[in-house]
Amino acid sequence: DTAVSQTPKYLVTQMGNDKSIKCEQNLGHDTMYWYKQDSKKFLKIMFSYNNKELIINETVPNRFSPKSPDKAHLNLHINSLELGDSAVYFCASSQSRFSGGRQETQYFGPGTRLLVL
Amino acid sequence: ELKVEQNPLFLSMQEGKNYTIYCNYSTTSDRLYWYRQDPGKSLESLFVLLSNGAVKQEGRLMASLDTKARLSTLHITAAVHDLSATYFCAVGTQMNRDDKIIFGKGTRLHILP
Repeated sequence: DTAVSQTPKYLVTQMGNDKSIKCEQNLGHDTMYWYKQDSKKFLKIMFSYNNKELIINETVPNRFSPKSPDKAHLNLHINSLELGDSAVYFCASSQSRFSGGRQETQYFGPGTRLLVL
Repeated sequence: ELKVEQNPLFLSMQEGKNYTIYCNYSTTSDRLYWYRQDPGKSLESLFVLLSNGAVKQEGRLMASLDTKARLSTLHITAAVHDLSATYFCAVGTQMNRDDKIIFGKGTRLHILP
C-alpha cells in the first residue's frame, strides 16, 4: 500500500481554471504538508496542517487553499490558475510536528505535475 | 530573514571517494533536515537534526549539525553510483507556533562508476 498518495499525477489545464489536487496518507500521521517545486527545482513549503489546524501558511497567493476533511487527507485547491503555478506539487506527512526526532521524519507523495497553458 | 545556502551546487566525483556537502543558514534554527531526490522522482527524508553536535548516520551518509556555526554537513563515505541524486538541506524555525521551513537550492551529486 502506498503510504502517501496524490491524485492526479499529471494535470494540464488552461489559465483561469480552478483545480484541486488530492492527498491521502494511510500512516496515521497527525501532520500533513504541501510543497511546491518549480522548474529550477527550488522547493518551497506552502502549507502544513497539524490535527486539522493550519500551522504554516507561507506567503502563497490566496488562490491556493488547503482543505483537510480529516487528518488522513489534505487537498490543495487552486483558483484562477496562472502560468506561474506550473510546477510539481508534493504532499507529505509526518507523525507529528514540534516533537522532534523520528516523529518529524516526513514521507512524501509521488508529486503532481501541474502545467498551466 | 532566514536564508539557507548549500555548496557545492554541483558535484561530480569518482566511486570510492569521500566528500562533504555543506549547508549554512543565517539565523537561529530549531531543526535541520536533509532530503534526497532522484531525477523525476519524489523526495526522501534522510535526516532530522535537532541539537548542537547531533550526528546521524545511515549507510554511507553521515549528517552533523553545529548550531553555533549555523552549519550542517552531509558526508559521503566511499561513494557508490547509487548515491547519485540531488540532496537538499532545509532549516526549520518555530516561534509562537508560526513555523517556517526554508530549503537550500540543492546539491546535484553525480558519482562516476
